[in-house]
Amino acid sequence: KAGVTQTPRYLIKTRGQQVTLSCSPISGHRSVSWYQQTPGQGLQFLFEYFSETQRNKGNFPGRFSGRQFSNSRSEMNVSTLELGDSALYLCASSLRGAADTQYFGPGTRLTVL
Amino acid sequence: AQTVTQSQPEMSVQEAETVTLSCTYDTSESDYYLFWYKQPPSRQMILVIRQEAYKQQNATENRFSVNFQKAAKSFSLKISDSQLGDAAMYFCAYRSGGITGTASKLTFGTGTRLQVTL
Repeated sequence: KAGVTQTPRYLIKTRGQQVTLSCSPISGHRSVSWYQQTPGQGLQFLFEYFSETQRNKGNFPGRFSGRQFSNSRSEMNVSTLELGDSALYLCASSLRGAADTQYFGPGTRLTVL
Repeated sequence: AQTVTQSQPEMSVQEAETVTLSCTYDTSESDYYLFWYKQPPSRQMILVIRQEAYKQQNATENRFSVNFQKAAKSFSLKISDSQLGDAAMYFCAYRSGGITGTASKLTFGTGTRLQVTL
């Protein structure tokens, strides 16, 4: 079974731009979660989607948004990019969320100049 | 809010030896899950082992085992017969055990970088 895939793997943007990251979960998984990893803040939860609905949200500004499609693929959008948004963005999928184990994708490395 | 603490930023072990990584957590919940994830230089987060809080038996996966002390809120990872491929950043993570949406969030520790030497 194919693992979680994320595209693109690397991205360079400038301040003020917006960016969209994509995540395809493991086949059959309906829950997708997003995390931001930075050297200073570590791994932080962004949000979780299940059956096209945002079910849980971390403590991030409204510039960070996401959505999930009917095939469980998810996208994350960051608008008005700031230098501090430079990070590794990790996507994880699980069967239903809740008690199920999360499996991670390889991440998207975003650099904001 | 739950917190996870990993007090060892770096550890080193010789090949074939055993090493233990420490993790403590703070929670008022009785139902939860604990995980160890490994992040090698490729940055892909890989699940190492999972422990359900309601299970008294410590989880084991091949060379990896945990020492789960629920009362002490401690969850250490033991790696036996260490191999060069074990070199990575190891993260301890906590997850609520409920069925509501908030249970989907993983709370991570700051990580322990493990070096494996010849």
